[in-house]
Amino acid sequence: KAGVTQTPRYLIKTRGQQVTLSCSPISGHRSVSWYQQTPGQGLQFLFEYFSETQRNKGNFPGRFSGRQFSNSRSEMNVSTLELGDSALYLCASSPSGRAIETQYFGPGTRLLVL
Amino acid sequence: AQSVTQLGSHVSVSEGALVLLRCNYSSSVPPYLFWYVQYPNQGLQLLLKYTTGATLVKGINGFEAEFKKSETSFHLTKPSAHMSDAAEYFCAVSDSNYQLIWGAGTKLIIKP
Repeated sequence: KAGVTQTPRYLIKTRGQQVTLSCSPISGHRSVSWYQQTPGQGLQFLFEYFSETQRNKGNFPGRFSGRQFSNSRSEMNVSTLELGDSALYLCASSPSGRAIETQYFGPGTRLLVL
Repeated sequence: AQSVTQLGSHVSVSEGALVLLRCNYSSSVPPYLFWYVQYPNQGLQLLLKYTTGATLVKGINGFEAEFKKSETSFHLTKPSAHMSDAAEYFCAVSDSNYQLIWGAGTKLIIKP
């Protein structure tokens, strides 16, 4: 099976712009989670989608949003970018998002906000 | 709310020496516990996990971890470090909302 893919891998934006990141989960996986990783804050949970519905959400402002399509592919959007949004954004998939399941991570999208 | 503490943001060991990465969690119920590894410029991958049963869990690449309920710990060990083990290691625990709570990570440095 192909692994989790994320596009683009690298992105440079300026403050105030918006950005959309894409994640394709492993075939058959219906749960997709998004994380923000920064050197100072570690891994921070953004949100989790299952069957096109947001099931869990972390403590991020409303500028961070996401969606999931019927084929389980997911996108996350960040509007009005701030310098502090510079980070590695990781996507992970699992069959149904249950706690016992292994999460399979993509390589991430590295976002730099100037 | 659950929390995960990883002692030491950086751990340095010599090649061939014992690797010990510490993880403590707070939980009022038996949790699911995980160790993930992140190699440079890559996503995370599962090393091992504890769900139920045997408290000593063996993972990939010679790593193992022991669940100690009385100490609320899930420390990761490897008898002999290799240069290829240099990476960042994350401990995680599940919470009641089926969401993983992550530790801050420990960077393992291997000295030749």
